[in-house]
Amino acid sequence: EAQVTQNPRYLITVTGKKLTVTCSQNMNHEYMSWYRQDPGLGLRQIYYSMNVEVTDKGDVPEGYKVSRKEKRNFPLILESPSPNQTSLYFCASGYRLYTGELFFGEGSRLTVL
Amino acid sequence: GENVEQHPSTLSVQEGDSAVIKCTYSDSASNYFPWYKQELGKRPQLIIDIRSNVGEKKDQRIAVTLNKTAKHFSLHITETQPEDSAVYFCAVYSTSGTYKYIFGTGTRLKVLA
Repeated sequence: EAQVTQNPRYLITVTGKKLTVTCSQNMNHEYMSWYRQDPGLGLRQIYYSMNVEVTDKGDVPEGYKVSRKEKRNFPLILESPSPNQTSLYFCASGYRLYTGELFFGEGSRLTVL
Repeated sequence: GENVEQHPSTLSVQEGDSAVIKCTYSDSASNYFPWYKQELGKRPQLIIDIRSNVGEKKDQRIAVTLNKTAKHFSLHITETQPEDSAVYFCAVYSTSGTYKYIFGTGTRLKVLA
């Protein structure tokens, strides 16, 4: 089954404790991206990747890191989480040039105390 | 960079009536304009899209129109049903620029039975 898998789905952590949200897709997509969803602000792009070892900043990259060592995986790293990073996070993937459709994971709800 | 504005933020219609959501964008290089539907607690999913060489596209009760000169595109839902109640996001993507996939802030549609 074609899917985008994120883990963990829910996480409560404390300020400053490093965490990683994993994302994996099995559709051989070149394009992968992370979004955060906050009420009234829609889906804001954090980072995206056009292919292995190619990553670029989205509109809200501060406080986040990503890596793309393999085509299927695109982890999101919060080195020192702060309360303003409390949000619902979505990973998404798609073909780079042709279709444009993004396939989303189920979301990861993160709370930073 | 690209800026996408979406209106209205909330929309209530009677069952059977039509609903229209509008988005405007700023980057003339944008060439792909999808619409996503997000039901409560779920991930966003593509419902219809349009490319820059097409002015209108229909799929049963939903349609999207694009005006490239004015840089706006709209989602039209006819004969609305309670199951159309959701948050709708427009998005803009360019394959000739930064490859950012930018979303609007969303419209919460309520269909009243």
